[in-house]
Amino acid sequence: DARVTQTPRHKVTEMGQEVTMRCQPILGHNTVFWYRQTMMQGLELLAYFRNRAPLDDSGMPKDRFSAEMPDATLATLKIQPSEPRDSAVYFCASGTPGQVRQYFGPGTRLTVT
Amino acid sequence: QKEVEQNSGPLSVPEGAIASLNCTYSDRGSQSFFWYRQYSGKSPELIMFIYSNGDKEDGRFTAQLNKASQYVSLLIRDSQPSDSATYLCAVTGGGTSYGKLTFGQGTILTVHP
Repeated sequence: DARVTQTPRHKVTEMGQEVTMRCQPILGHNTVFWYRQTMMQGLELLAYFRNRAPLDDSGMPKDRFSAEMPDATLATLKIQPSEPRDSAVYFCASGTPGQVRQYFGPGTRLTVT
Repeated sequence: QKEVEQNSGPLSVPEGAIASLNCTYSDRGSQSFFWYRQYSGKSPELIMFIYSNGDKEDGRFTAQLNKASQYVSLLIRDSQPSDSATYLCAVTGGGTSYGKLTFGQGTILTVHP
């Protein structure tokens, strides 16, 4: 049963520290999405990639967030420096244009103190 | 005005009843409409999608779309306690914006025995 994996599952860090979240999409999926979920804002798209190229990162705060796909099996989301308002659950999802469904990973719960 | 709005809930229905979840969207160019279910502490999972005006049925679930009214709904028949979750409405455009989902805030559904 193919799944999207994310690491770490939980991260607690202090304000100002760098945070790196990793995602392994389902093999064969060429589109990767990063979402952030908070109680106040709900589920928001931060960025997405197709064939490793960024297609849209308009939802991402540019000054502190960066997203990359070093290869087809790894997507990363970095926050530097982190702030308490970045506390949220970050989901990665993958899919292909030929499919309707996006498959979500289990999420990384980030707490910035 | 939010791009995708859902009835705020929470919605509580007795077991065996019909649960009705509603969603409106602001972008008339939206082409695809999705309902995701999210259990507490878990990631969203797709339960229904619809492209065309009218009804689409899948088991106990029926999605209804009215593009003229910019309205999409989800009916859950014979509701079960296991249906208790947050239901997220999402929309996307077509073409190159494939996969760029915009989510509503979600409606919390509780089915009580």
